[in-house]
Amino acid sequence: DQQVKQNSPSLSVQEGRISILNCDYTNSMFDYFLWYKKYPAEGPTFLISISSIKDKNEDGRFTVFLNKSAKHLSLHIVPSQPGDSAVYFCAASERRDDKIIFGKGTRLHILP
Amino acid sequence: DVKVTQSSRYLVKRTGEKVFLECVQDMDHENMFWYRQDPGLGLRLIYFSYDVKMKEKGDIPEGYSVSREKKERFSLILESASTNQTSMYLCASSSPGTGKNTEAFFGQGTRLTVV
Repeated sequence: DQQVKQNSPSLSVQEGRISILNCDYTNSMFDYFLWYKKYPAEGPTFLISISSIKDKNEDGRFTVFLNKSAKHLSLHIVPSQPGDSAVYFCAASERRDDKIIFGKGTRLHILP
Repeated sequence: DVKVTQSSRYLVKRTGEKVFLECVQDMDHENMFWYRQDPGLGLRLIYFSYDVKMKEKGDIPEGYSVSREKKERFSLILESASTNQTSMYLCASSSPGTGKNTEAFFGQGTRLTVV
């Protein structure tokens, strides 16, 4: 049973516009959420995270929003740039252990 | 600069062979992970270790075992490789606890092909 769900396998966005990637989770014990970016033939790299005590975290062009009641988080990238084309993974962990559970990923294409 | 190093980028092995995938981290992290990445399935956790000689099964441990004799090194072992274990294998490490600076750092991955 998938605990972290990314229901959009791919997303295409015009360069300069906002990219919004969505993620849902089922485990109410998750208290820390992360986004990773992955290029082909490379390992994922950490992008941004948010604790469950917050509802927003911002880092430059990247903002993550958390809606605990809906068990939903989203990653906003604005403005989108060509180098943002990659696979984005949503991930979560819970306090009782440090296992990090990933979603299936969303492939983002930034169109010129 | 933090580093997680996987011993091989590409490996080709025969069905039935015993395969060792090695991972070393230089960040003195307690936690280490092995994931596999397959198209349409994302990153799936195989095994997790939270200390030397300690391990926990992840979501898909069948056909795999692990070894952690030293803090910096975490090995994934395919006891008898099969073609359905052809995949990209990713090692990661992290500090314990949740919160700031506890994100996992990944190695570059090992693309394993079992023929």
